Amino acid sequence: GAVVSQHPSWVICKSGTSVKIECRSLDFQATTMFWYRQFPKQSLMLMATSNEGSKATYEQGVEKDKFLINHASLTLSTLTVTSAHPEDSSFYICSATLVPEAFFGQGTRLTVV
Amino acid sequence: AQSVTQLDSHVSVSEGTPVLLRCNYSSSYSPSLFWYVQHPNKGLQLLLKYTSAATLVKGINGFEAEFKKSETSFHLTKPSAHMSDAAEYFCVVSPSFSGGYNKLIFGAGTRLAVHP
Repeated sequence: GAVVSQHPSWVICKSGTSVKIECRSLDFQATTMFWYRQFPKQSLMLMATSNEGSKATYEQGVEKDKFLINHASLTLSTLTVTSAHPEDSSFYICSATLVPEAFFGQGTRLTVV
Repeated sequence: AQSVTQLDSHVSVSEGTPVLLRCNYSSSYSPSLFWYVQHPNKGLQLLLKYTSAATLVKGINGFEAEFKKSETSFHLTKPSAHMSDAAEYFCVVSPSFSGGYNKLIFGAGTRLAVHP
């Protein structure tokens, strides 16, 4: 099947700094990618839809200035957590779709200290 | 509106016994339905999918699911559990009108424990 690679798999950062997470579709082009957040022992919560060449669409309650999304090419979307705080600590997962199936990255464990 | 309800947050079985993970969905359109498995601190792996073809869907690792429109259900089963099946399982619906991409709606998840 298709492969989606997410990097890094884990990151620890200090409060107030910014962290960038990359999501790449390795063997197919993805005009749309999705970013999810997962709290411990909970389901995935869709944060935003990343659209190649245009602005991302954010779900209600997600701060677009806190979670910057850039989808500059057909194979790469990035999520930047700006001015991170401990409450931003979470597991972030991206996905890209090769209709009708979605393929997921391996996730990024972010810990803000 | 679309929604997914996983009826059990935790399921515990003995190794070698059958597994049943229950899922009900609500969709205004003919949906695509999926089951994904997630091992700790890992991404999601597709177990199987239903996309309006055969109602009994066979997936990887011996799992299968049956789409029952009259019951709006898509329960996941496996005849004999293995220790390696212990993980979190998500039932997911995608409305077919999404067009070129799917916006997925996740159930809350079911944690499967397998005991020796």
